[in-house]
Amino acid sequence: GAVVSQHPSRVICKSGTSVKIECRSLDFQATTMFWYRQFPKQSLMLMATSNEGSKATYEQGVEKDKFLINHASLTLSTLTVTSAHPEDSSFYICSALRGGLAGLEQYFGPGTRLTVT
Amino acid sequence: AQSVTQLDSQVPVFEEAPVELRCNYSSSVSVYLFWYVQYPNQGLQLLLKYLSGSTLVESINGFEAEFNKSQTSFHLRKPSVHISDTAEYFCAVSERKNTGFQKLVFGTGTRLLVSP
Repeated sequence: GAVVSQHPSRVICKSGTSVKIECRSLDFQATTMFWYRQFPKQSLMLMATSNEGSKATYEQGVEKDKFLINHASLTLSTLTVTSAHPEDSSFYICSALRGGLAGLEQYFGPGTRLTVT
Repeated sequence: AQSVTQLDSQVPVFEEAPVELRCNYSSSVSVYLFWYVQYPNQGLQLLLKYLSGSTLVESINGFEAEFNKSQTSFHLRKPSVHISDTAEYFCAVSERKNTGFQKLVFGTGTRLLVSP
């Protein structure tokens, strides 16, 4: 099946610094990728939709200036958490949309655990 | 807007026993329904989906789910589980549309723990 990778798998950073997370579709091109956030014992919450060559679309309540998304190519989207604070600690998951009927072929990455100290 | 409820956060079961993971959804429009599985340290994988047609859908590894519109449910079942089925299972729903991406709304997940 289709493979989506994320890097890094875990990251610890100090409060006030920025962290970049990469999401790559390894064997297919994805014009659309998605970024989710997952808190313990809670469901995945869609943060934003990343479109190659255009600005990301953010969900209500997600700060676009804090969570910068860049979809630079058909296989790479990055999420940068700027000026991270402890409350940004979470599990971040990306997915990539592959062909088919829109929205029905999402392939997920393994996630990135961010800890802000 | 849609919402998904998975009442059981954890389901312990013995190997070879049957299991049912419950999923109920709420929506004012027609929906598509999905079950995803997440094994430790891996990404979510699509287990099965209901789009239209037969309300009973099956996966290649023995799981099945039945869409019940009147009860707004999409419970996942397996008649005999294996140790390797231990994982987190997520139910998800999206609005039925002809074109464009439909956002996935996830439940909180159910951890299936299979013991010998």
